[in-house]
Amino acid sequence: DAGVTQSPTHLIKTRGQQVTLRCSPKSGHDTVSWYQQALGQGPQFIFQYYEEEERQRGNFPDRFSGHQFPNYSSELNVNALLLGDSALYLCASSPRDRNFNTEAFFGQGTRLTVV
Amino acid sequence: AQKVTQAQTEISVVEKEDVTLDCVYETRDTTYYLFWYKQPPSGELVFLIRRNSFDEQNEISGRYSWNFQKSTSSFNFTITASQVVDSAVYFCALIHQAGTALIFGKGTTLSVSS
Repeated sequence: DAGVTQSPTHLIKTRGQQVTLRCSPKSGHDTVSWYQQALGQGPQFIFQYYEEEERQRGNFPDRFSGHQFPNYSSELNVNALLLGDSALYLCASSPRDRNFNTEAFFGQGTRLTVV
Repeated sequence: AQKVTQAQTEISVVEKEDVTLDCVYETRDTTYYLFWYKQPPSGELVFLIRRNSFDEQNEISGRYSWNFQKSTSSFNFTITASQVVDSAVYFCALIHQAGTALIFGKGTTLSVSS
């Protein structure tokens, strides 16, 4: 059973460019959350998708957008990249559970470097 | 507002030493969940434990143990007889029942030398 898979693993982009990161959730999971982890910091919540809709959003600008597909996979898009967007982007999947009685499973992340 | 504080930025120990990682949290909710995750150099966050706010029993899993004290808003993690493979960054996190976002602390980097 494959866990959460993310692609690509590493990416280098130039300021002002746009980037798309991809995530496939663990089998049986329908909810996908994205987190940004800057160097030396804890992960910060970006947003969560369920039933192909953004259900909750953290304190991130509109340059960060996402999408969820019918097969529950998800994309994170970042426009007009800034140097400060350089970080590890983590995807987490979980089954829909209002009480969050199960842990979220995380992928290995995509390391984005903006130069 | 919810907040998780991990005051220890880095800890270095020698193999077989016991080590405790501290976690203090803030929340106004009466129902919430606390987590510990391990992040090895590969980057993936590995789930270690989840506790809900109504269960203050301490838990032991092999060399790992957790001490949850609501009176001090703490959820500390102890590794007994540490090993080199325990070297990683450890994160404490919080979520309230109605929310969907994990609130993470800044993490504690544990280095275990042989």
